[in-house]
Amino acid sequence: KAGVTQTPRYLIKTRGQQVTLSCSPISGHRSVSWYQQTPGQGLQFLFEYFSETQRNKGNFPGRFSGRQFSNSRSEMNVSTLELGDSALYLCASSRNNEQFFGPGTRLTVL
Amino acid sequence: GIQVEQSPPDLILQEGANSTLRCNFSDSVNNLQWFHQNPWGQLINLFYIPSGTKQNGRLSATTVATERYSLLYISSSQTTDSGVYFCAVSDTGGFKTIFGAGTRLFVKA
Repeated sequence: KAGVTQTPRYLIKTRGQQVTLSCSPISGHRSVSWYQQTPGQGLQFLFEYFSETQRNKGNFPGRFSGRQFSNSRSEMNVSTLELGDSALYLCASSRNNEQFFGPGTRLTVL
Repeated sequence: GIQVEQSPPDLILQEGANSTLRCNFSDSVNNLQWFHQNPWGQLINLFYIPSGTKQNGRLSATTVATERYSLLYISSSQTTDSGVYFCAVSDTGGFKTIFGAGTRLFVKA
C-alpha cells in the first residue's frame, strides 16, 4: 500500500507570494492533518480534515487555510508569505487514530 | 490545552547502551504515538500506544494513561537509532494532536 505523498518536496518563494501544498493520503484513510515544523517552535498542529470538513484548527493566522476533496486528498494554502513561514510542512493521514506521515514539503521564503 | 513534556531533551549514548525516554502529558488523551524523525525529516511510526505495553525488536514502549506518562525503551542502541524521538498525543476529542519538543539522541560508534 502506498504511503502518504506530498508535493512539491521543496519550494522557494518570496515574501508576499502565496503557496499551495498538496497531500495524498493512504488509500482508505479519510482523516488528513497538517503540521508546521520549525527549529524554534517545533511541530505545531495546523488543521485536521475528515470527509471534506475541518474538525479542528491550530493557533495560526487566517493566512493559513486548507481544504479536503471528496477523494480525501488535501491542500493547504498560505497567502502573503512571511519570512517566518519558512518551515517543513508535514501532512499525516489516519483511519483508526494512528497517524502516518508523508515526507514533507520544505518551504523557504526569501 | 494539553501540555506534553519530553525528557531528556538531549541524550548521547555509546553504541550498545540502553536508554529510556519519557513523555508526560497534562490531561486525559485519546491517542499516543511515538515517532522517530530521521535526518531527512521523515517521521517514522514506532508505536501507537494509548495504554499498555508493546515491543518491536529492540524497542518497547509503555503508557500508563492513569498516571499520564509514557516511556520508550531503546536497548542495545545502534548508530542508526540517532535522530529525534517525538511523543504525540491527541485530546479526548481526538481531532487535534500535540507534539512534545522531542528527545535528540546521538549514538556514538
